[in-house]
Order: sequence, then C-alpha cells, then structure tokens
Amino acid sequence: AQSVAQPEDQVNVAEGNPLTVKCTYSVSGNPYLFWYVQYPNRGLQFLLKYITGDNLVKGSYGFEAEFNKSQTSFHLKKPSALVSDSALYFCAVRDRVTGRRALTFGSGTRLQVQP
Amino acid sequence: DGGITQSPKYLFRKEGQNVTLSCEQNLNHDAMYWYRQDPGQGLRLIYYSQIVNDFQKGDIAEGYSVSREKKESFPLTVTSAQKNPTAFYLCASSLTVEVTEAFFGQGTRLTVV
Repeated sequence: AQSVAQPEDQVNVAEGNPLTVKCTYSVSGNPYLFWYVQYPNRGLQFLLKYITGDNLVKGSYGFEAEFNKSQTSFHLKKPSALVSDSALYFCAVRDRVTGRRALTFGSGTRLQVQP
Repeated sequence: DGGITQSPKYLFRKEGQNVTLSCEQNLNHDAMYWYRQDPGQGLRLIYYSQIVNDFQKGDIAEGYSVSREKKESFPLTVTSAQKNPTAFYLCASSLTVEVTEAFFGQGTRLTVV
C-alpha cells in the first residue's frame, strides 16, 4: 500500500522568510513524488515532481523539494516566502512498481504567509 | 485552449436523486481520474481509467459509478447509495497511467439539499 503523511495542518511564516512544508511517504518499492498547490475553490496545480536522479528538485514559482530516501521524506521548501504563496499544499506519492496506478494524496497543509 | 473542463461548477441535488458530473479533456490523455475532497481529509480516489472502456475502483467507490466510452470523457455519477455526497469533486488526467503527473480540472462542488 502507498500512503502520505503531512504532519502539519497549517504552517505560518512571515513574508521574506524561508518556508518548509513537510511530507513523509510509505511505499513498497521506489516512489514517484509530487507537490501540488490549491487556491480556494480551484483545482490543483502541479508544482514539482521527483522521478529519479538528483535528490533536490526545482519546480514552479521558486519552490524546491528534497527527496530523502533514508527518512522517506519529500519536504517542500522556498528560500523567501511571498504573501501570494498562501494556499493549500498537497504532497502525493505513487509506487513505481507495485500498487495502484494513481496518485495517493496527503491531507494537505495550509500555508499562511503574513506580510 | 487545451485542458480539463468540469461542469457544472456548482450542483445541488435532492436526497435520493442520482446526479452526473461531467469531465472532458482535450489533451489526448489516456488516463483519467476522479477524486473527492473533504475538509481535513485531502483527496481520496474514487475511480480511475487507464484507457477507453476500462476503469478501476479507488478507495471510496461505493455509491459512485463511471463510464469511459470516449477518450475525452469520464463522467461520474453520484447515486442515491452514496450516503454523504456533499463534497468537492476533482477530475484529473495524465498522458498515460505510467506518466503520473496529473492535470486537474477546476472542480465541481456538489451539495445535497
């Protein structure tokens, strides 16, 4: 089975400060990992993905994420937060080999960036 | 413009009625998905389809049905057997089921009145 945990319901950060949104995963084999962002009453927008290769993945809007196999984590980071980054963020996983062929999502983390 | 279109954006249903949510894509994607979103629970998979005339149940398929008669379309029917249907429903597609980066529609908010 594949699963994702986002341990923080909400993360608060001041504009200009670095931000981190945490994600840990569980799969039987090796993972595909994703981050998506959702604005109110909208669908999800893709931010970045880890498939293979470099553990540090760069994505849209200045976001990046680091894959850590030993800690089974894929935390989302940004060096300097903007008020416009305030949204709901979802981590997702899919086992490459076993398991169903669809993404499993975490429960989401609301990011609030204060001006 | 290419993309995924969900309609309607808002839908109201009386208890005991079936209702069908539309999802159309013009991205030439093989795989399509339906997720349900409830506050604090993230997205849960209802059904997905890898190719035309094929679909598999997800985690919460009970009370829902789908069809995939055309590549572009993957409608979801919420039946009267679904006990708590009020939710935000999201449709997504990906090029193939192996290329798992999914693109999402704007969602349909279903309310039972």
